[in-house]
This record gives sequence, C-alpha cells and structure tokens, in this order.
Amino acid sequence: AQSVAQPEDQVNVAEGNPLTVKCTYSVSGNPYLFWYVQYPNRGLQFLLKYITGDNLVKGSYGFEAEFNKSQTSFHLKKPSALVSDSALYFCAVRARMNNNAGNMLTFGGGTRLMVKP
Amino acid sequence: GAGVSQSPSNKVTEKGKDVELRCDPISGHTALYWYRQSLGQGLEFLIYFQGNSAPDKSGLPSDRFSAERTGGSVSTLTIQRTQQEDSAVYLCASSLEKGQGASGVFFGSGTQLSVL
Repeated sequence: AQSVAQPEDQVNVAEGNPLTVKCTYSVSGNPYLFWYVQYPNRGLQFLLKYITGDNLVKGSYGFEAEFNKSQTSFHLKKPSALVSDSALYFCAVRARMNNNAGNMLTFGGGTRLMVKP
Repeated sequence: GAGVSQSPSNKVTEKGKDVELRCDPISGHTALYWYRQSLGQGLEFLIYFQGNSAPDKSGLPSDRFSAERTGGSVSTLTIQRTQQEDSAVYLCASSLEKGQGASGVFFGSGTQLSVL
C-alpha cells in the first residue's frame, strides 16, 4: 500500500525567504508524485508533478520540487516566499491499485504554510 | 465544462436526512474520484470510478455511503441517514485514465456538508 508523510503540520516563513515543505512517500514501483495547494474555501489546485526525467520539477507560481529516489522524498520549494503563498499544501503519490483496475492518489495530511510580512 | 463542477457548494442538513452530492467531471475524463476532507484533516479517499464502474469502494466509511456514475460522466455521492460526523468537505476529482496514465488529477471546489 502506498503512503505519504508530511512531517510538519505548519511551516512559518518570513516573506522573501526561501521555503521548503517536506514530503516523503512509500510506494511499490515507480512513483508519480504531485503537489496541490488549497486556499481558504477553495478546492485543490494542481501545482506540479513528477513522472519521469529531471529530478527538479518546476511548477506554478514559482514553486519547484525535487524528487530524491534514495530518500523517497519530494520536497516542495520556493526561492522567495510571498504572503500570498500562505495556504494548505498537500503532497500526493499515485500508484496502481492492488486489483490492477486503475490508479488512485494518496495524500499526505497537509502542511499549512504561513508567510509573514 | 472547463473544470470539475460540484454542486451544491454548501449543504446544511439535519441529522438523519439523506443528501446527494453531484460531480460533473471534465469532459472526456474517464476516471473520477471522491475524497473527503474533515476539519483539520488530510484528504480521505472514498471511491474511484473508471467509466461507470467502481473498482475500488474500499474508502466508503459505512454502508450509508454510496455513489454511482452514469454515462461515464456525472457522478452522485449519496449519504443516507446523515450523522454529525459526516460533516466535511467532499471533493470530486477527475483525470484522463489509461493504465499508468501520467496526466494530472483535477479537483472541483468541493461541497461543504454540515449536519446539524
């Protein structure tokens, strides 16, 4: 069974500083990894994904994530945080279901990012 | 439509009543997912559809929960005899799906269900 861990419930960063939101995963086979962001009273918005190729993936709003196979991690990063980045961030892994009927996303518990002016 | 559409956006109901939540996926997306997000919690997988069939219903929390999908498009999630612990945001998502498809999964804005 696949699983995702986001070890930090909340990350606090000052505006202009770099940010990292951590994610580790466990899955059989090659992982497909995703980051989603959820703003207050909104649904989840896709940020970026890793399927194959370069380990550094660039996504929306200046975010990027680095796939590290040996550490089974997919940390989300941004060089310079904005107050408007404050939101709830979810890491997800996609893996084939046991009955080979398709794929499903398994999400981490989410990390709240607070960027202060 | 351009995105995944869910209705209603908000639903307040009394304990014991039945509710129906609707999801209209992105046109052409064969896979459809229902998730539940309780206050302060992560996303809990409920059920997955591939076309009209649901190969994985393992996430449905009780037999009061059921879902169907018709015409490979719209899906409804029904909760019978609602309980207060059913209060949550119910999120629907869809994706193109072919085996180990690498396409993204797109979410609707959710239905906020409040059971009084």
